[in-house]
Amino acid sequence: AQSVTQLGSHVSVSEGALVLLRCNYSSSVPPYLFWYVQYPNQGLQLLLKYTSAATLVKGINGFEAEFKKSETSFHLTKPSAHMSDAAEYFCAVTPGAAGSNYKLTFGKGTLLTVNP
Amino acid sequence: GAVVSQHPSWVICKSGTSVKIECRSLDFQATTMFWYRQFPKQSLMLMATSNEGSKATYEQGVEKDKFLINHASLTLSTLTVTSAHPEDSSFYICSAPGTTRGYNEQFFGPGTRLTVL
Repeated sequence: AQSVTQLGSHVSVSEGALVLLRCNYSSSVPPYLFWYVQYPNQGLQLLLKYTSAATLVKGINGFEAEFKKSETSFHLTKPSAHMSDAAEYFCAVTPGAAGSNYKLTFGKGTLLTVNP
Repeated sequence: GAVVSQHPSWVICKSGTSVKIECRSLDFQATTMFWYRQFPKQSLMLMATSNEGSKATYEQGVEKDKFLINHASLTLSTLTVTSAHPEDSSFYICSAPGTTRGYNEQFFGPGTRLTVL
C-alpha cells in the first residue's frame, strides 16, 4: 500500500524567494516518486521523477527534489520563484520497477501562489 | 514525447443524458489507460483502469454501470457517463503509461470539464 502526504495545502511566496513544497510518502516497496504541476483547467505536467537512480533529481523550470529514504520525503524546491510558477503541485507515488502496475497515488496537492 | 489527447475538452449536458469522453494516445500504444476524477481544488482520484480488449477494473466506490469504460484499441479508451446528474460534474483526466529511458511514467491528457445542468 502507498500513500502521499503533502504538508500545506497552500504555500505563498514572494517573487524571487525560495519555493519549498513538502511531500512525505509511505510505500511497502521501493517507490518511484513524481511531482506534477497543474495549471487551471489543464491536465498534469511532469516536473520531475525519482526512479531509484540519483537521489537529487532535477526537473523542468528550475525545480529539483531530493529523495530521502530515512525521512520518507521527496520535497520539491526552487531557488527563486517566478510569477509563472503559480499553480497546483501534486506529489505522487507508484511502486517501483518490481511489481509496478503504473498506478499512481496522489497527494492532496499544494497551491502555490507567488506575490509580486 | 508521448502525447495523450482528450475530447472534448469541455462539455455541458442536461441531467439524464449520457456523455462520452475520449482518451487517445497519439504516438504510442497503450494497453492500459487510467481514468481520474478531480473535484474543484482537490486531488485526482483514480476511478478505473481501462484494459485493451478486456473489462475495466474499477476502484472501490465507483459505479460500473454509471461510468462505462471501453478500451477498443491500443490508442483509444472511452469513458461514458450514463444518465448524468449534476453531482457528476467534475474534471475528468485520463492517463496512459509509457516508458521514458526505460522508466515507468504516466502521460496525462489535458482533461475534460463536464458540467451537468
